[in-house]
Amino acid sequence: KAGVTQTPRYLIKTRGQQVTLSCSPISGHRSVSWYQQTPGQGLQFLFEYFSETQRNKGNFPGRFSGRQFSNSRSEMNVSTLELGDSALYLCASNQQGNSPLHFGNGTRLTVT
Amino acid sequence: SQKIEQNSEALNIQEGKTATLTCNYTNYSPAYLQWYRQDPGRGPVFLLLIRENEKEKRKERLKVTFDTTLKQSLFHITASQPADSATYLCAPLTTDSWGKLQFGAGTQVVVTP
Repeated sequence: KAGVTQTPRYLIKTRGQQVTLSCSPISGHRSVSWYQQTPGQGLQFLFEYFSETQRNKGNFPGRFSGRQFSNSRSEMNVSTLELGDSALYLCASNQQGNSPLHFGNGTRLTVT
Repeated sequence: SQKIEQNSEALNIQEGKTATLTCNYTNYSPAYLQWYRQDPGRGPVFLLLIRENEKEKRKERLKVTFDTTLKQSLFHITASQPADSATYLCAPLTTDSWGKLQFGAGTQVVVTP
């Protein structure tokens, strides 16, 4: 079974731009979560989607948004990028609520 | 607010010895606790889950304990190998937090030959 796939692997954007990151979960997994990882803050929960609905949301500003498609693939969008948005963005999927997360290898976003 | 604390300093250990990592949590009562391993530039990988009614869980050279009185979990790597070098993250969770896992900052383990 293929693992969680995230694209692109690396991204460089300029302050003020917007960016869209993509995540393909493991086949059969209906829940997709997104995390931001920085050296200073560690892994921070962004949001979780299940069956195309946002089920949980972390404490991030409205510039961070996401969606999930009917095939469980998910995208997250960050608008009006700030330097502090530079981070590794990780996507994870799981089969049901009480099963462990399977992470992708992330998208490294650098904002200049 | 809920807080998860892991040793912030890297743990340097000689090959063959046992590495012991600590995960402390405050202001909540998790029913489960998960441990993940993360290598540089890669996503975390699930290792073990322990339930609140389980005192200890083992998987090959890994052992996890969960003390709900002390609000602490210990993660042991026995007979450590250089390939065990990584950052280890703990994630305590309640029954309603499965979809919004919170992680500790992680402890880096460095195993030298």
